[in-house]
Amino acid sequence: GAGVSQSPSNKVTEKGKDVELRCDPISGHTALYWYRQSLGQGLEFLIYFQGNSAPDKSGLPSDRFSAERTGGSVSTLTIQRTQQEDSAVYLCASSLTDQRGFPLHFGNGTRLTVT
Amino acid sequence: GESVGLHLPTLSVQEGDNSIINCAYSNSASDYFIWYKQESGKGPQFIIDIRSNMDKRQGQRVTVLLNKTVKHLSLQIAATQPGDSAVYFCAENMGVAAGNKLTFGGGTRVLVKP
Repeated sequence: GAGVSQSPSNKVTEKGKDVELRCDPISGHTALYWYRQSLGQGLEFLIYFQGNSAPDKSGLPSDRFSAERTGGSVSTLTIQRTQQEDSAVYLCASSLTDQRGFPLHFGNGTRLTVT
Repeated sequence: GESVGLHLPTLSVQEGDNSIINCAYSNSASDYFIWYKQESGKGPQFIIDIRSNMDKRQGQRVTVLLNKTVKHLSLQIAATQPGDSAVYFCAENMGVAAGNKLTFGGGTRVLVKP
């Protein structure tokens, strides 16, 4: 009974490099979300996948950010040309469905530090 | 309560006392609400949820109250324990028009004093 798994748990990168963050949702969950959490702050919505529908990308902060979800399961969040302000914890969550009344289940996040 | 900026509001509670954490939500069309608990270094963990057709829901040591008139949500923790020390977030489902996205409040830090 695995929960949402994220890797790596920590990532340190140099400014200007690209990074990829991985999320393995709970098996059978059709909805997958990425959130960003800066130190001491709340959760900022980034992107949302539901089944085969086009993803909701309305929260992505710039075109340096992109995400894909292959086969309706694993998702990868890519940040190109990282900047120091990208430093944060990136959280992935999955849900059984996008219908109301179903909570999100979160992974423990990837802590990204851009030096 | 809610927070803006870098500093989370903090609620200090004596062990054994009851805690009340408040949250103001933004969208009158929101009809599903969730409370999450986040411990250091971990992702948010589901505590309890409530639909808008209810004004109160109880779990184990926790109660959520919903006042739709003033768009206010609260989480009550009975007999607070050291393990309850964490940051608590409320979240609202913004409805079909917003793709059923969950939007989170800024969080409240709860510190339980022994």
